[in-house]
Amino acid sequence: GAVVSQHPSWVICKSGTSVKIECRSLDFQATTMFWYRQFPKQSLMLMATSNEGSKATYEQGVEKDKFLINHASLTLSTLTVTSAHPEDSSFYICSAREGEASYEQYFGPGTRLTVT
Amino acid sequence: AQKITQTQPGMFVQEKEAVTLDCTYDTSDPSYGLFWYKQPSSGEMIFLIYQGSYDQQNATEGRYSLNFQKARKSANLVISASQLGDSAMYFCAMRVRQTGANNLFFGTGTRLTVIP
Repeated sequence: GAVVSQHPSWVICKSGTSVKIECRSLDFQATTMFWYRQFPKQSLMLMATSNEGSKATYEQGVEKDKFLINHASLTLSTLTVTSAHPEDSSFYICSAREGEASYEQYFGPGTRLTVT
Repeated sequence: AQKITQTQPGMFVQEKEAVTLDCTYDTSDPSYGLFWYKQPSSGEMIFLIYQGSYDQQNATEGRYSLNFQKARKSANLVISASQLGDSAMYFCAMRVRQTGANNLFFGTGTRLTVIP
């Protein structure tokens, strides 16, 4: 089956530093990848959609300069949280879709970010 | 605008019994897809079942079935013969074609607890 990995699975960083989270599709080529954020006991909120080789499309209210997304290849997308603050602490989940015709998104295991 | 509503924050079910998790949706797009995901405490999103808006029959996947009532705009998940491992958060989600990127809109989730 289609597998999506995320690295790291959890990270603790200090305020003001930047953190990079990787999302990889292991056995398929992902034309589109999505980044979600989930606060404790809440639902997933879409942050941005990235297509390989083009700029990410951010949802309203998501700062593109703070959450940098790069979809450099068909198997890798990265989310960089720049100048992290404690309020950025959250569970970040990526998902990937193989093609436009595919209805299913395959989710990564998530990355828990704690900013101290 | 798209909206997914899950009105049950928490549900309890006796082991081996069946349980129904409610989901209603709203969209003006005639073409859409409905999904159910399971999120255990570890955080990963596990795809359970999919129903397309034009599908004539209710989707089934093993112990999971989707009670799709198009006129009522409901897509309830039925889990038969509940197992202890079914205890988790369950999210209903919708994808509509008109959004372009075809991202998923998630409900607020229902926490299911299976009682031995």
